[in-house]
Amino acid sequence: GAVVSQHPSWVICKSGTSVKIECRSLDFQATTMFWYRQFPKQSLMLMATSNEGSKATYEQGVEKDKFLINHASLTLSTLTVTSAHPEDSSFYICSVLAGGRTYEQYFGPGTRLTVT
Amino acid sequence: GEDVEQSLFLSVREGDSSVINCTYTDSSSTYLYWYKQEPGAGLQLLTYIFSNMDMKQDQRLTVLLNKKDKHLSLRIADTQTGDSAIYFCAESPYSSASKIIFGSGTRLSIRP
Repeated sequence: GAVVSQHPSWVICKSGTSVKIECRSLDFQATTMFWYRQFPKQSLMLMATSNEGSKATYEQGVEKDKFLINHASLTLSTLTVTSAHPEDSSFYICSVLAGGRTYEQYFGPGTRLTVT
Repeated sequence: GEDVEQSLFLSVREGDSSVINCTYTDSSSTYLYWYKQEPGAGLQLLTYIFSNMDMKQDQRLTVLLNKKDKHLSLRIADTQTGDSAIYFCAESPYSSASKIIFGSGTRLSIRP
């Protein structure tokens, strides 16, 4: 399967600042990546589908102006949390679709964001 | 709507079998999955089952699907300490081929 990395693995930022999280597909050129958010003891919630070279598709209830997604290359998608607030503190996980089937989604290790 | 539910915790004695249960609401689900999440690691796909199957076995893992009751289970035989993790049940709705809906996860702990 595809190997996916995320950077940073953990970030603390002050309220009002922006933070960028990177998702890299190390051994596969991915036209489609996904961004999820996971709260403690809760499931992963799909935030958006990131398509290389085009605008991301956001799930209902996710603010596209707050969570900016850029998928500029086949190996890199970035999620920028703008004007972060404490309620944005969460675990953000990306995945790569490495084939035509949904079971061919491979997940990154996640990034823990803490907003103080 | 799309919803996946599972219990939050399960404690099993080492060597016994673990059975993690899950229910889902979308009758049009195409694939159903079990993922494993360990600290510091990405979600790992353990196994998946297509909706027209009743059972799938892969080494120590057995997946049972009751489509009528919308019930999915994962049985881990001879549970080991390395099986300690959070296990997520998930489904792909027919309406969206690449979307995966996750349950809240079951934390499996192993006692000696």
